Amino acid sequence: DAGVIQSPRHEVTEMGQEVTLRCKPISGHNSLFWYRQTMMRGLELLIYFNNNVPIDDSGMPEDRFSAKMPNASFSTLKIQPSEPRDSAVYFCASSLGREGGQGGHEQYFGPGTRLTVT
Amino acid sequence: AQSVTQPDIHITVSEGASLELRCNYSYGATPYLFWYVQSPGQGLQLLLKYFSGDTLVQGIKGFEAEFKRSQSSFNLRKPSVHWSDAAEYFCAVGGYSTLTFGKGTMLLVSP
Repeated sequence: DAGVIQSPRHEVTEMGQEVTLRCKPISGHNSLFWYRQTMMRGLELLIYFNNNVPIDDSGMPEDRFSAKMPNASFSTLKIQPSEPRDSAVYFCASSLGREGGQGGHEQYFGPGTRLTVT
Repeated sequence: AQSVTQPDIHITVSEGASLELRCNYSYGATPYLFWYVQSPGQGLQLLLKYFSGDTLVQGIKGFEAEFKRSQSSFNLRKPSVHWSDAAEYFCAVGGYSTLTFGKGTMLLVSP
């Protein structure tokens, strides 16, 4: 298996621009997670999906952030408009969760997207 | 609420020496416990996991961890460290859905 695929690997953009990060989970996995990693705050869960449905988005910083999962093999995280404080590494992870939104299984991480907002 | 504490931000170990990284967790029920490793510029890679059963679990790259319920700990060990083990290590606890990660411990390996 190719593992979790994320694109782009690096993104540099100017403040105010829209940024879209993409993720392809491992085939057959039914849970998908978006994380943000910074030196100050460590690894933070932003949102997670189960069977393409958002289950918990309480970690999304504010309305500038949105995430979608139109099908089992693709998800996007969008920031509009972007701000310098959004600079971080964004990770996507997937797992084979149990039915009903329950997990309890290990998560497999993608390589991340390093976002720099100037 | 679940939480994970990794008390050591940095640890330096000589190559060939043994290693123990500490992890303490807080969780209301029987936890699922994980150790991940992150090399610079890379994503997190799963080293090992504990769900139930034998409290000593073996992982990849020669790592092992022991679950001690009485101490709420899940420490990671390796008998002989290699230079390639230099990385950041994350302990995580989870229940039925999401994982909570510790802040990480950076392992430095000296020659």
